[in-house]
Amino acid sequence: DGGITQSPKYLFRKEGQNVTLSCEQNLNHDAMYWYRQDPGQGLRLIYYSQIVNDFQKGDIAEGYSVSREKKESFPLTVTSAQKNPTAFYLCASSIGGTRTRMETQYFGPGTRLLVL
Amino acid sequence: QKEVEQNSGPLSVPEGAIASLNCTYSDRVSQSFFWYRQYSGKSPELIMSIYSNGDKEDGRFTAQLNKASQYVSLLIRDSQPSDSATYLCAVNFMGAGSARQLTFGSGTQLTVLP
Repeated sequence: DGGITQSPKYLFRKEGQNVTLSCEQNLNHDAMYWYRQDPGQGLRLIYYSQIVNDFQKGDIAEGYSVSREKKESFPLTVTSAQKNPTAFYLCASSIGGTRTRMETQYFGPGTRLLVL
Repeated sequence: QKEVEQNSGPLSVPEGAIASLNCTYSDRVSQSFFWYRQYSGKSPELIMSIYSNGDKEDGRFTAQLNKASQYVSLLIRDSQPSDSATYLCAVNFMGAGSARQLTFGSGTQLTVLP
């Protein structure tokens, strides 16, 4: 069964703590993305990666970090520098490349992060 | 600043009616346009993609694109209560290193009344 998995479904963070959200895909997609969604709002891009060992900051990268050591995996760390981390975090992937029709993004089920 | 704007709604239509969802965007070089459906508490799922001016139909869904007016719409015919969700419009633009990024609107909440 091909798809994108995210874990955990719910995550609780204490003050000053770093937490890592997992994202794995078996679609053989080159590109992966992390978005944040706040209630009643659209998705905002945190980081994206077009190929292994390379990633770019999105619109709201401050307080977050990522790695892309394997094609299938793109974990997101929410650091203690992110002062308002409560949100719904969505991972997506696309085939990648620069041809227009390669950029359709497909989403994982999401992780809801709450601050204790 | 690339922007994608949608009416937040809520938009209510009776069952069996046509629901019309609208989206405008600010970037003239955008080439790809997407409509996603998001049920409450769930992740977005792709409904339609459109790349050329005109209409594209898929079952009960029709996407309409007018690049000159920077306008894309989604029509849902024979609306069903199961269509009740938030609909997100997304538009691509070129990011760093020729990478393409999607910019999302804030979504339109649709309620189909039985």
